[in-house]
Amino acid sequence: DQQVKQNSPSLSVQEGRISILNCDYTNSMFDYFLWYKKYPAEGPTFLISISSIKDKNEDGRFTVFLNKSAKHLSLHIVPSQPGDSAVYFCAALRGGNKLVFGAGTILRVKS
Amino acid sequence: GAGVSQSPSNKVTEKGKDVELRCDPISGHTALYWYRQSLGQGLEFLIYFQGNSAPDKSGLPSDRFSAERTGGSVSTLTIQRTQQEDSAVYLCASSSRAHPTAFFGQGTRLTVV
Repeated sequence: DQQVKQNSPSLSVQEGRISILNCDYTNSMFDYFLWYKKYPAEGPTFLISISSIKDKNEDGRFTVFLNKSAKHLSLHIVPSQPGDSAVYFCAALRGGNKLVFGAGTILRVKS
Repeated sequence: GAGVSQSPSNKVTEKGKDVELRCDPISGHTALYWYRQSLGQGLEFLIYFQGNSAPDKSGLPSDRFSAERTGGSVSTLTIQRTQQEDSAVYLCASSSRAHPTAFFGQGTRLTVV
């Protein structure tokens, strides 16, 4: 039962352009969503989050958009940099319950 | 330290041996998670603690896996009679009741030979 899905296993983007990573969820009870970045041989690093009462949250080059009616979440990185190359995981939770992760998307930013 | 600490960072063990992996969460964090990532795979949920109790242990793959948490702080994940398919990076994360963002440790890379 995959409650959080990242349907694109990988994404390749030119340096300076926008990277858009997508995530879909099935559980309408989720009320908090997060994005993590993971480099090889390291633990995931928290990137940005959004509460279900909002539809957008921005932090520097990173913006997360939430479309509750479509149960869809996206992460925009503008402009993309080679150092952004990593695996990106979206995650969701319902208050007091476990964090549920998607399978991840490998982002490659080409210089 | 200020972050989630896991030990050991690397563990090589022989098939059939038992191993214990340790997680020190961020001080004051009530929620603690164990995940694992096998080569080329995503993050697989194992168990979730709220305080010392585990309301969700549905991800433990078999009865060879167990975890405990004492004093609402340190957690140990024990794998008995290790098998080669147990080889993975085991990740621990913690979060506070006030803020649901979970922060991860660096992981323990377990190799069963």
